[in-house]
Amino acid sequence: EPEVTQTPSHQVTQMGQEVILRCVPISNHLYFYWYRQILGQKVEFLVSFYNNEISEKSEIFDDQFSVERPDGSNFTLKIRSTKLEDSAMYFCASSEILAGRYEQYFGPGTRLTVT
Amino acid sequence: KQEVTQIPAALSVPEGENLVLNCSFTDSAIYNLQWFRQDPGKGLTSLLLIQSSQREQTSGRLNASLDKSSGRSTLYIAASQPGDSATYLCAVNRNTGFQKLVFGTGTRLLVSP
Repeated sequence: EPEVTQTPSHQVTQMGQEVILRCVPISNHLYFYWYRQILGQKVEFLVSFYNNEISEKSEIFDDQFSVERPDGSNFTLKIRSTKLEDSAMYFCASSEILAGRYEQYFGPGTRLTVT
Repeated sequence: KQEVTQIPAALSVPEGENLVLNCSFTDSAIYNLQWFRQDPGKGLTSLLLIQSSQREQTSGRLNASLDKSSGRSTLYIAASQPGDSATYLCAVNRNTGFQKLVFGTGTRLLVSP
């Protein structure tokens, strides 16, 4: 069964460093998302992406964050200058229009630890 | 602003019991409601999706119902097993389908043998 994959599974970085989190969505899906979950808290929406542009972003998704679909298969989240509070699990998701369902499928996540 | 609440926050039951998890949302203008399962330190597995025009969906021992007008959904798990132990999350999106999901805080379920 097709699935969303994410790399790396765990990333440790120092405050102020740039990180790139990578995702390979399900191949025929057209809508892509990033969410994050700080330990013990709710899963929070960051950004959605469709037709090579951002369709919606949350107030968390400030100028430090960017997304890109560089080659038609990968979908990346870049954090330019990481802060301690960026430590979280980051989930990529994708969806398609199937009978109007837009069911979102999630990857296994990347645990980001900022020290 | 959409708020999603799940009750109870934690539930511990012996194997074989039937159980109900509750989800409520404040804005009834939803497109979909999805139930997910999350194992510790892992990703989210989609269990069931109910479109706003539907009343319920079933998959195996799971049955999810939706009462959109009252802003409620329930997830019914029949004949629970230790392998059902996980956190169950519900999430809704607005009435254009590809919009963001808004998640509840989850119900942590422990099924003991």
